[in-house]
Amino acid sequence: QKEVEQNSGPLSVPEGAIASLNCTYSDRGSQSFFWYRQYSGKSPELIMSIYSNGDKEDGRFTAQLNKASQYVSLLIRDSQPSDSATYLCAVKEGSQGNLIFGKGTKLSVKP
Amino acid sequence: DAGVTQSPTHLIKTRGQQVTLRCSPKSGHDTVSWYQQALGQGPQFIFQYYEEEERQRGNFPDRFSGHQFPNYSSELNVNALLLGDSALYLCASSLVQNGYTFGSGTRLTVV
Repeated sequence: QKEVEQNSGPLSVPEGAIASLNCTYSDRGSQSFFWYRQYSGKSPELIMSIYSNGDKEDGRFTAQLNKASQYVSLLIRDSQPSDSATYLCAVKEGSQGNLIFGKGTKLSVKP
Repeated sequence: DAGVTQSPTHLIKTRGQQVTLRCSPKSGHDTVSWYQQALGQGPQFIFQYYEEEERQRGNFPDRFSGHQFPNYSSELNVNALLLGDSALYLCASSLVQNGYTFGSGTRLTVV
């Protein structure tokens, strides 16, 4: 059973701080990793994808991948109240497979 | 460029009834996947369609069936509805290696 694990939170950070979200996965052969943001009552929105070990930056977001440790993380710098949402980690099965999601981490950014 | 569109947005059905949900993928996308998201959980994979064939299936009973049309649009059918089928049903479209783009979802309530 391939699994993706996330701390469900809630994770609470003050406005302007760095939020760190973590995810581990069980399938060592996984090659594609994604972070989705989901506001309450809305559908998931893709914010980052990462395929190679190391860091990938996009604006205030940085995704980090360590395949040896089977670990993916998302850093949000200068957190804003509008970042308050549930963040879903997803791992793709094979090159054409489906996405396996974690249960999500709820982030709350306090003004 | 239209994104993924789903219909209807909300639906209330009675136990034992049947329901059909519809999805039009993002322009240029040829693969459609369906997910079920219960409250407080991550999306769970139902099945994926490519070239009008079911390519992969998650751990869902045969009451869940689908179809993909030549224009890549798709339907999800659920027979003999149970209370536990109440959830947000998400359609996602993709191109091979890319991340999935989700539609806004259909909120199904079974009473």
